[in-house]
Formats: sequence, structure tokens, C-alpha cells
Amino acid sequence: NAGVTQTPKFQVLKTGQSMTLQCAQDMNHEYMSWYRQDPGMGLRLIHYSVGAGITDQGEVPNGYNVSRSTTEDFPLRLLSAAPSQTSVYFCASSRNGGDYGYTFGSGTRLTVV
Amino acid sequence: GQQVMQIPQYQHVQEGEDFTTYCNSSTTLSNIQWYKQRPGGHPVFLIQLVKSGEVKKQKRLTFQFGEAKKNSSLHITATQTTDVGTYFCAGLSGDYKLSFGAGTTVTVRA
Repeated sequence: NAGVTQTPKFQVLKTGQSMTLQCAQDMNHEYMSWYRQDPGMGLRLIHYSVGAGITDQGEVPNGYNVSRSTTEDFPLRLLSAAPSQTSVYFCASSRNGGDYGYTFGSGTRLTVV
Repeated sequence: GQQVMQIPQYQHVQEGEDFTTYCNSSTTLSNIQWYKQRPGGHPVFLIQLVKSGEVKKQKRLTFQFGEAKKNSSLHITATQTTDVGTYFCAGLSGDYKLSFGAGTTVTVRA
């Protein structure tokens, strides 16, 4: 059981470039979320999904898009990278949104120069 | 929107001592979850509290949910070096958004 797999682990982008952070889970979890972690600010919710075809915005959605075409995959797209998007990004999944907690991936460290 | 505040931000503890970290929400929560993140790692789920006034224990860790379901605490007794890391509380609202506090980063002096 791989759990939640995030790729890539590290990425450097130039301002204005676009890219997709990949997230896949093999636990048949309905709920998936993307967080960014910045020093002293905890984890802030970007977007989340309660099932295939359903997504919604979190606290800091601007500059990011998501889609959920399958239960397994929940990619995060940066449309036009900005230095303010330099952060560590975590994808997480849960069976039912809470009772068993969320399982986190190992993260993607993104630097925008 | 829902805000979850956590104090203190840093906790420096002598090995063997006890400490407590506190979590407060601006709104009533469906449940509260606690996570631990080791340096360089990812958050790992510890426990969930659902009922008003609920208390749960995991070895040296005691978790409590307030009567009004707006606050929670984590108490660690006899701190060990293995307790090093950042402890996050996270509140789950009715729309399934899990909002994290800023975390308490714990360092241990041997």
C-alpha cells in the first residue's frame, strides 16, 4: 500500500511558468485536499474534493486550479507561478472526511524564482 | 470563516517535564483532530475528538475537547526526545473543511 504519493518532491520554477503537482492515493478515499505550509502559518487549505467530479475552494485558492476526474488522482495546477507561491505543498486524503483522520503525502517543495 | 488558533507557538521543554498546548476555534467544531509533524516530515494523524468534554489518552499524551466544542488541549507528560516535532490541531467544520492551527513546535533539552 503506497498511501498518498506526491510528485515531484522538489521543483524550481521561474516566475510566470505553469506546472502541475501530482497527487495519487490507492486507498479508495473519497476526500482529498491540498495544503500549503509556510513557516509560522501552519497548513492552509487550497482546494479540496469530497469525491470524483466535486471540488471546492479552501482558504487560499487564488492562483491554483484543481480537478478530480477519478477517485485516485487530485492534481494541483499552478497557472502562472509567482514567488509568493514558494512553499511546501501537501496532498492529503481521508476515507470519509474525518473519522479516521487524513493521510498526508510526503510533500512537494516548490521554489519560484 | 473558521479560524483555529494554537498556543504557544514554541515550547522548549526539559526532558522529563510536562507541557500543554492549547487550541481555540472561532466557531463550534464538528470534531477536532491532532497531528504530529517531525522535522522534515509530513503531518501524521494522532487522534480525533468528537464529543463535548471528551478525553482520550495515548500513552503519555492526553487529549481533551472542550464542553462547547470550541477548544482543545494536548498534554504530554514526562517529555522524551522522541516527542520533538510540531503538533497541530485541526478543526473539521460542517462543510468538511479541515482547518489547521499554526502548530506548537516542541524542542526537548536532554
